[in-house]
Amino acid sequence: QVQLVESGGGLVKPGGSLRLSCAASGFTFSDYYMSWIRQAPGKGLEFVSYISGLVSTIYYADSVKGRFTISRDNTRNSLYLQMDSLRPEDTAVYYCAKITSKSGYVLDYWGQGTLVTVSS
Amino acid sequence: DIQMTQSPSTLSASVGDRVTITCRASQSISNWLAWYQQKPGKAPNLLIYEASILESGVPSRFSGSGSGTEFTLTISSLQPDDLATYYCQQYDTSSPTFGQGTKVEI
Repeated sequence: QVQLVESGGGLVKPGGSLRLSCAASGFTFSDYYMSWIRQAPGKGLEFVSYISGLVSTIYYADSVKGRFTISRDNTRNSLYLQMDSLRPEDTAVYYCAKITSKSGYVLDYWGQGTLVTVSS
Repeated sequence: DIQMTQSPSTLSASVGDRVTITCRASQSISNWLAWYQQKPGKAPNLLIYEASILESGVPSRFSGSGSGTEFTLTISSLQPDDLATYYCQQYDTSSPTFGQGTKVEI
């Protein structure tokens, strides 16, 4: 069965950095696009970034472009999000999600999320 | 980016009611629309993709319809387990976006 487990969240000061990880299992990781989705407290969902299986395609939301870097290690079945120059508005639960092969950028499996809090 | 607008923002209904949630796109997205359910404190769960295709394992009381700019998610007979917030998501472009969500109260 597909499992996605995020780690690396925590409390960080504005301007600081954090690296999120997502360990994947139960599917052929390198065959799939993967993504990061975030949800600010009490708010809706925001597509942060996605990356293709062979790293040929990468997308960033305008709100994080130039500050966040998505990457993956297909030998370790792992997805990463390097977050630099963090701002209070980046405070959110960050979900790792697998993009289905059935139809476009549809998210068929999600992790449980990891909370990032940016505050002084 | 394509803007997605859901209505209503909150919906109160009784067990057994037929419930409809609307999602409108700021431009045509053909049928490239998905619906997710998010229960309190949990990650979202895929319900429907390509506007009307039910994801495997999703109860048949859920259905989706629409194309172009207007879409609906219908729950034919609301159950207590359906207490959740529902989100639409467009994926017509390489910049996918979500609606703001509709909270269903029972």
